[in-house]
Amino acid sequence: GQQLNQSPQSMFIQEGEDVSMNCTSSSIFNTWLWYKQDPGEGPVLLIALYKAGELTSNGRLTAQFGITRKDSFLNISASIPSDVGIYFCAGPIYNQGGKLIFGQGTELSVKP
Amino acid sequence: NAGVMQNPRHLVRRRGQEARLRCSPMKGHSHVYWYRQLPEEGLKFMVYLQKENIIDESGMPKERFSAEFPKEGPSILRIQQVVRGDSAAYFCASSPGGFSYEQYFGPGTRLTVT
Repeated sequence: GQQLNQSPQSMFIQEGEDVSMNCTSSSIFNTWLWYKQDPGEGPVLLIALYKAGELTSNGRLTAQFGITRKDSFLNISASIPSDVGIYFCAGPIYNQGGKLIFGQGTELSVKP
Repeated sequence: NAGVMQNPRHLVRRRGQEARLRCSPMKGHSHVYWYRQLPEEGLKFMVYLQKENIIDESGMPKERFSAEFPKEGPSILRIQQVVRGDSAAYFCASSPGGFSYEQYFGPGTRLTVT
């Protein structure tokens, strides 16, 4: 079945550094979604991507929909302590309604 | 402009009891999804409902689990005769449907089975 692989699994960075993470699949996706989850909370939608090659920003966050439609990237610039959390990529499974498949997550830690 | 609401936030049940989890979607959203998250893992799809209809329950265990989204009131995820392995965070998400795949999540219900 379809699977999403995220890397890295975890990152430890200094405040102010830029962060890059990615999500890959063996199957094509028509939509990529990036979520952030804080401890004890539900995932919050950060960015939605709908078109191959699309680059979309939300404040210090930028996400790209890979040209092959099998990958997506999320970048965070000038990280701050509140960026700490787990970042998930997700995509709808083809021809199965709107149900989403999620990656395993990238856990981000930021040292002040 | 309320988001997705879930209650209770925390639920403790003894083995063999029933657990009822409620979800009210965002205003204007008619599509509801339930996901389960085990510790240190991503979210796994359970069931997709529209008002009075189960559209896809392929992620639901065949026994003890059921879901509904009645014409009036919240969506309910029911787990009968809970076992320790049911301990997890259960999240509900809603979507406006149509061509949008964007799903908005509630804060989750953390179920602990003792």
